[in-house]
Amino acid sequence: AQKITQTQPGMFVQEKEAVTLDCTYDTSDQSYGLFWYKQPSSGEMIFLIYQGSYDEQNATEGRYSLNFQKARKSANLVISASQLGDSAMYFCAMSSGGSYIPTFGRGTSLIVHP
Amino acid sequence: DTEVTQTPKHLVMGMTNKKSLKCEQHMGHRAMYWYKQKAKKPPELMFVYSYEKLSINESVPSRFSPECPNSSLLNLHLHALQPEDSALYLCASSQVRGGATSTDTQYFGPGTRLTVL
Repeated sequence: AQKITQTQPGMFVQEKEAVTLDCTYDTSDQSYGLFWYKQPSSGEMIFLIYQGSYDEQNATEGRYSLNFQKARKSANLVISASQLGDSAMYFCAMSSGGSYIPTFGRGTSLIVHP
Repeated sequence: DTEVTQTPKHLVMGMTNKKSLKCEQHMGHRAMYWYKQKAKKPPELMFVYSYEKLSINESVPSRFSPECPNSSLLNLHLHALQPEDSALYLCASSQVRGGATSTDTQYFGPGTRLTVL
């Protein structure tokens, strides 16, 4: 069984500062993938970034980077230079083994203050 | 193009009505999903279609009836819903590869906000 844990129900950050959203996972599979999604109040789930269990480098996509620590089973999302438009729910998800269907964490609500 | 479209954006229906939600993707994905999401909660998987065949039904009540007419379209037929079915309904699509690669990435539509009176 696979499990995703997001322990921060809410986070606040000042505009232009960096913020880290935590995600830990548990799986017995050696092959797995980790995903982060952003969900603004409009409702659409927007794919942000992917990290594979065998990837040697941490994934980056623009202002988003994934701090992947395999031994600690953590896959934290780092957003640099926060913008007001970053205010949203953020979900961490994982697919593992032979299943292509991800398991989602409970999400973290991020509010960016001006 | 990573676009998944959903119609309608908003839907208000009575408990005796019959309505349908529609979803379309043109990314060549062969897996399509319906999720139900309540406010501030993660999406809950309802149905998965793989190669146009229903592969997963997460014990969803029969008042929800999915349909996959072809590889690009996914419908969710609604009948005799209850007020507690009010939620955001999200459609998603992905490849069917497994092996935990980036091809597992799900792409979501904008959702349909459903209110049952």
